[in-house]
Amino acid sequence: AQSVTQLGSHVSVSEGALVLLRCNYSSSVPPYLFWYVQYPNQGLQLLLKYTSAATLVKGINGFEAEFKKSETSFHLTKPSAHMSDAAEYFCAVSDRGSQGNLIFGKGTKLSVKP
Amino acid sequence: DGGITQSPKYLFRKEGQNVTLSCEQNLNHDAMYWYRQDPGQGLRLIYYSQIVNDFQKGDIAEGYSVSREKKESFPLTVTSAQKNPTAFYLCASSIEGALLSTDTQYFGPGTRLTVL
Repeated sequence: AQSVTQLGSHVSVSEGALVLLRCNYSSSVPPYLFWYVQYPNQGLQLLLKYTSAATLVKGINGFEAEFKKSETSFHLTKPSAHMSDAAEYFCAVSDRGSQGNLIFGKGTKLSVKP
Repeated sequence: DGGITQSPKYLFRKEGQNVTLSCEQNLNHDAMYWYRQDPGQGLRLIYYSQIVNDFQKGDIAEGYSVSREKKESFPLTVTSAQKNPTAFYLCASSIEGALLSTDTQYFGPGTRLTVL
């Protein structure tokens, strides 16, 4: 069965600094991977997804993620953090063994200091 | 505007009462989902429906029930059998669900349920 591990429940960066949010997956088949963002008391919004095309995926708001099969990772990065990036971020894998449902990590809360 | 609406945004319930959370979408999506979110635990799947008049249990279905009588609606009932119902509930939909594992799920704004 597929699973997702997000390293670090809280990450704090300074405005303008690099953002790196880590995600490792476990899957017996080639995975489909997703990053979602959630602002307080709101639903989730898709940032980007990997569907076995290019390994470097660009998303909205300047975020990107690289699929590394050898490391079973799909880390999310942004070169320069903005105050508006403060939110909770979820990595998810598509459970292709169970009708394509998403399996979510526990989330990483990103804080951005001025 | 197309999207997913959930109502109410905040809901308070007394112990022993059943409550129903509304989820409506006008995206013409076949698949709909209900998730429960608790702090530090991510999202856990309660129920999902790939097509009208059909639905399946997710990982934590006990104490919940759903119906899918119309394509655009997927209400969730939290019954008195749910031992710890206080949580944030999120509804989502996707175009084809099981038929396309790369489907993006689109989320509603959520309902925060508090048991008094």
